[in-house]
Amino acid sequence: EPEVTQTPSHQVTQMGQEVILRCVPISNHLYFYWYRQILGQKVEFLVSFYNNEISEKSEIFDDQFSVERPDGSNFTLKIRSTKLEDSAMYFCASGQVDRGGYTFGSGTRLTVV
Amino acid sequence: KQEVTQIPAALSVPEGENLVLNCSFTDSAIYNLQWFRQDPGKGLTSLLLIQSSQREQTSGRLNASLDKSSGRSTLYIAASQPGDSATYLCAVRNGGSQGNLIFGKGTKLSVKP
Repeated sequence: EPEVTQTPSHQVTQMGQEVILRCVPISNHLYFYWYRQILGQKVEFLVSFYNNEISEKSEIFDDQFSVERPDGSNFTLKIRSTKLEDSAMYFCASGQVDRGGYTFGSGTRLTVV
Repeated sequence: KQEVTQIPAALSVPEGENLVLNCSFTDSAIYNLQWFRQDPGKGLTSLLLIQSSQREQTSGRLNASLDKSSGRSTLYIAASQPGDSATYLCAVRNGGSQGNLIFGKGTKLSVKP
């Protein structure tokens, strides 16, 4: 069964450093998403991406965040200057328009120290 | 603003019991509703997707129902097993096909042998 692949599975970074989280969505999917889950809290929407541009973003997704689909297969989330409160599990997801369901990756646990 | 609530927050049952997890949402104008399973520290596994025009979906021992007008969904698990122990998340998708998912906080299920 097709999978959404995320790397790395766990990343530890110093506060103020830049991190890039990587995702390989399912190949025939057109819509791509990033969500995050702070420990013990709800899964929260960050951003959706379609046709090489952001289609929707939440108020969490401020100027320190950016997304990119650099080569037609990878989908990345960059956090420019990490803060302690960015520590969370970050999930990538992809979907097809006609089915409307999402397939999630297994997540990247980001720890900011 | 759409809010998703899941009751109960935690549930412990003996193996073999049938059980029901509840999900409610405040805005009935949803595109679809998806149930996920999350194991500790892991990603989200999609269990069932119900489109707004459907009343229920079944997969093996799982049955999910949707009553859009009353803003409710239930996930029924038959003949529970210890391997069913996990957190079950309900998420609704608003608006058109690009709408993001809004999650509940989940029900943590423990099935005792």
